[in-house]
Amino acid sequence: DIQMTQSPSSLSASVGDRITITCQASQDITTYLNWYQEKPGKAPKVLIYDASTLETGVPSRFSGSGSGTHFTLTINSLQPDDIATYYCQQYDNLPPTFGQGTKLEI
Amino acid sequence: QGQLVESGGGVVQPGRSLRLSCAASGFTLSNYAMHWVRKAPGKGLEWVAVLFYDGNDENYADSVKGRFTISRDSSKNTLFLEMNSLKVEDTAVYYCVKERQQWLVVGAFDFWGQGAQVTVSS
Repeated sequence: DIQMTQSPSSLSASVGDRITITCQASQDITTYLNWYQEKPGKAPKVLIYDASTLETGVPSRFSGSGSGTHFTLTINSLQPDDIATYYCQQYDNLPPTFGQGTKLEI
Repeated sequence: QGQLVESGGGVVQPGRSLRLSCAASGFTLSNYAMHWVRKAPGKGLEWVAVLFYDGNDENYADSVKGRFTISRDSSKNTLFLEMNSLKVEDTAVYYCVKERQQWLVVGAFDFWGQGAQVTVSS
């Protein structure tokens, strides 16, 4: 199985900050990567797919980049509504696997 | 985009069984691979199982292989997860998840149901 390693595991930032979360795959996954936002009691929501494509309806302050084994999720101009846990997930091979999550606090 | 609504969760004793349902609307279930993913308390997301779009192939995580069965009723546009020989470590919120593209089976998820809580406890 492909291992996904996310960092940091938690992050404290302020409204208006720019933050970056990284995700490293244990092998080349080209750009087969999703980024999710998970809020308490809610299902994970796709923010970015194919590593850099913004899901419909997601604010443009979210962006994704990377290919191969190294990926980043960037949130520009952090908003209070962005308090959540963020996960990466690869879909290059079954089984799909997830990073361990990054808890964002503002 | 559609909607997925899970049901059937609850509290069950170790060794017992439970069946989850996931009713799909807004799209034809049988055109897509469908997955179950779970989130245990204090842990991350874990993929559980996939049913291929043709309905003839399935794949399971090692942790549930031989105990869980994924299936569907195309006439009701509903996905199921039959869980047998449940263990305490199966306690989690179980999500029904749709593959983004038709005829693809890679785990490229696009949207998720709201989840069903399964608690295994004596």
